[in-house]
Amino acid sequence: AQSVTQPDIHITVSEGASLELRCNYSYGATPYLFWYVQSPGQGLQLLLKYFSGDTLVQGIKGFEAEFKRSQSSFNLRKPSVHWSDAAEYFCAVGAPTGGGNKLTFGTGTQLKVEL
Amino acid sequence: AAGVIQSPRHLIKEKRETATLKCYPIPRHDTVYWYQQGPGQDPQFLISFYEKMQSDKGSIPDRFSAQQFSDYHSELNMSSLELGDSALYFCASSTGTGSYGYTFGSGTRLTVV
Repeated sequence: AQSVTQPDIHITVSEGASLELRCNYSYGATPYLFWYVQSPGQGLQLLLKYFSGDTLVQGIKGFEAEFKRSQSSFNLRKPSVHWSDAAEYFCAVGAPTGGGNKLTFGTGTQLKVEL
Repeated sequence: AAGVIQSPRHLIKEKRETATLKCYPIPRHDTVYWYQQGPGQDPQFLISFYEKMQSDKGSIPDRFSAQQFSDYHSELNMSSLELGDSALYFCASSTGTGSYGYTFGSGTRLTVV
């Protein structure tokens, strides 16, 4: 069974600083990997996804993530954080099941941005 | 662009009552997933349907049931509600393999009192 670990529960960065959120996964084959963002009481918005090909994936809102198979990691990065990026970030791994893929989420990283 | 529609947005029920949550997937999406997110928790997979057949089952209590209809919308039926069922329930849809990424609805917040 697949699993996802997000080692950082909370991260605080200053506005304008760079950001890296860590994600490690466990899966026996090539995974589908996703990053989602969730504001309080809101739904999950897809930031970016990786299926195959180029290991550096560009997403929305200036985010990018790099798939490193040797490290089983899919860390999310942003060169300059904006106050509006404060939210909870979930890494997820998808695995095939029947005609679709269920997602297994990490426990999330709460990002706080200091002005 | 059309998104995943969930109704109702908020629902308050008493213990031991029954609740029905509805999910309308993006047009031409044939797979629907249900997730439960408790307060401060990560989303947990409940159940999924592909082409109106159950495709996978996660940590869904026996008190819950779900189905996907001919128009691909799905309903999650929850009976004998317990306080611990209070959560945000998300529906997501995708095409068969999910390779285009899921699209989640805004969720239904269920509060059991």
